Amino acid sequence: DGGITQSPKYLFRKEGQNVTLSCEQNLNHDAMYWYRQDPGQGLRLIYYSQIVNDFQKGDIAEGYSVSREKKESFPLTVTSAQKNPTAFYLCASRPGPGELFFGEGSRLTVL
Amino acid sequence: GENVEQHPSTLSVQEGDSAVIKCTYSDSASNYFPWYKQELGKGPQLIIDIRSNVGEKKDQRIAVTLNKTAKHFSLHITETQPEDSAVYFCAASREDSSYKLIFGSGTRLLVRP
Repeated sequence: DGGITQSPKYLFRKEGQNVTLSCEQNLNHDAMYWYRQDPGQGLRLIYYSQIVNDFQKGDIAEGYSVSREKKESFPLTVTSAQKNPTAFYLCASRPGPGELFFGEGSRLTVL
Repeated sequence: GENVEQHPSTLSVQEGDSAVIKCTYSDSASNYFPWYKQELGKGPQLIIDIRSNVGEKKDQRIAVTLNKTAKHFSLHITETQPEDSAVYFCAASREDSSYKLIFGSGTRLLVRP
């Protein structure tokens, strides 16, 4: 079945460690997005990519990095520079104008 | 910067009653307004969307209205059912090459049996 797969679903990290969240899609969508979700704050855009080998910062990019080497993959690295990384992270993709398709999310907890 | 305000933050209704969630956006160039439903521990799913060339759109028990002059749009759910209980997000964007969806803060809807 076509869709967006995020892994891992749950991740625990010690302070000072970098972690990478995986996002893979087989929908053949050009555009991919990473959002962060905190209680009561909706979804905030971290990074997005309209095409392979190109990506732009969203509203809260500090402390995060991404790559887009393949159309299907858009991994997000949460670096030690991110001061408050505990959150629910959502990856999404879109074929063009219109609906954004979301993955099931990854919950990151910093111990 | 662009902003979307959503109210109320929580809403409790009796099964069979109607529910209304309202959003206001700041970017007058926005022309695409989707609504997403998020169940616990899952990613949001699109339930209905509207573009700025229409004022209302219906899909069975769900309807969305748009007032471009006032920069308001609303979600209406009629004959609510317990399975409608979830968090609902509104969003707004320009559908151009700089596409970025700006989300509201969400409404937690509880439908009491």
